[in-house]
Amino acid sequence: DAKTTQPNSMESNEEEPVHLPCNHSTISGTDYIHWYRQLPSQGPEYVIHGLTSNVNNRMASLAIAEDRKSSTLILHRATLRDAAVYYCILRPFRDMRFGAGTRLTVKP
Amino acid sequence: DSGVTQTPKHLITATGQRVTLRCSPRSGDLSVYWYQQSLDQGLQFLIQYYNGEERAKGNILERFSAQQFPDLHSELNLSSLELGDSALYFCASSVAMGDTYEQYFGPGTRLTVT
Repeated sequence: DAKTTQPNSMESNEEEPVHLPCNHSTISGTDYIHWYRQLPSQGPEYVIHGLTSNVNNRMASLAIAEDRKSSTLILHRATLRDAAVYYCILRPFRDMRFGAGTRLTVKP
Repeated sequence: DSGVTQTPKHLITATGQRVTLRCSPRSGDLSVYWYQQSLDQGLQFLIQYYNGEERAKGNILERFSAQQFPDLHSELNLSSLELGDSALYFCASSVAMGDTYEQYFGPGTRLTVT
């Protein structure tokens, strides 16, 4: 299975942009890159996904490297509500585990 | 609110017992997924159903089984429970199968086996 590597934790200040990196060097050509987040005491929440091109939605932007071996989730203005564990996943419903993800702390 | 409902919210039972967790997907979603989240294993995929048929299996134990009914709700049955089965169980749904579709997760059922 294709694996992803994310930093264990990151910190950000409120209202500043946050760039969450993910490495997926063994990605195959048909793998979609998905991001989910899990707020404390809640189920995971879909954030964004893409294949090759950069993607934007109301929550975030996804920047995908040209060789697709890495991607970056961009939160344009972090809020306290964005404090969560962020998971970068390839082929989500076939992956055995979500991995540890990146725990984002947002400081007021 | 994702639109996915799970019952019960909490379940406490003893080792050796059997329990059933229930999931109602979002209206219009045909695909249902079950996940287990424990402190030491993280969030792991158990099984997927699409329109009543099993479509993918992950790390699901033989003591566990699931089904999806004609009204598209799903049940996860856990039997011969062990202490290690204590975890959060999440159900998710998506409109169809495939990697292009996002999954919407329910609030989870917290199972405690004593």
